[in-house]
Amino acid sequence: SQTIHQWPATLVQPVGSPLSLECTVEGTSNPNLYWYRQAAGRGLQLLFYSVGIGQISSEVPQNLSASRPQDRQFILSSKKLLLSDSGFYLCALGIGLLEQYFGPGTRLTVT
Amino acid sequence: GNSVTQMEGPVTLSEEAFLTINCTYTATGYPSLFWYVQYPGEGLQLLLKATKADDKGSNKGFEATYRKETTSFHLEKGSVQVSDSAVYFCALSDGDSSYKLIFGSGTRLLVRP
Repeated sequence: SQTIHQWPATLVQPVGSPLSLECTVEGTSNPNLYWYRQAAGRGLQLLFYSVGIGQISSEVPQNLSASRPQDRQFILSSKKLLLSDSGFYLCALGIGLLEQYFGPGTRLTVT
Repeated sequence: GNSVTQMEGPVTLSEEAFLTINCTYTATGYPSLFWYVQYPGEGLQLLLKATKADDKGSNKGFEATYRKETTSFHLEKGSVQVSDSAVYFCALSDGDSSYKLIFGSGTRLLVRP
């Protein structure tokens, strides 16, 4: 069965600092991978998805970027964090073409 | 484009009460529909799904029926428990690209003993 690891679990960063969140998956190969953000009290916003190494699609223009350097690794980055970047970041992998399996999430607070 | 609309929460119920969380959708084509649940501090878990009209998804006492005529996928449970307290998300598969899911804004359920 598939497993998703996300780290760190929580992060507090000052405005203007860089960001790197990592997601790794086990138990599957060549998965579709996704980054979502959940702002406090709000729904999920799809940020990026990837269908393979080096292939990234961006859903929302913003100061975040994503990379997929390896088949089972998906990284979310920012050069300079904004207050509005605070939220709960979830990595997910696609199961077949319909379902998604979510990781435990990273809670980011930008101060 | 495709979208999902859920009833706003929070929904507060007493234990053993009947639960309905409304979900309606707008979509082209024939999307699959899902309910995900998020317990406090955790990621999302798939609760149930339905892939075609009139399908009923069910799991852990929860049910939802894919109603194409009313474009709805309401979540129901006959008798809720305190442990059901969570945020529930309705979602559909994006008909334009089967790689993506479109989520509703979520409905928080609080069950009191």
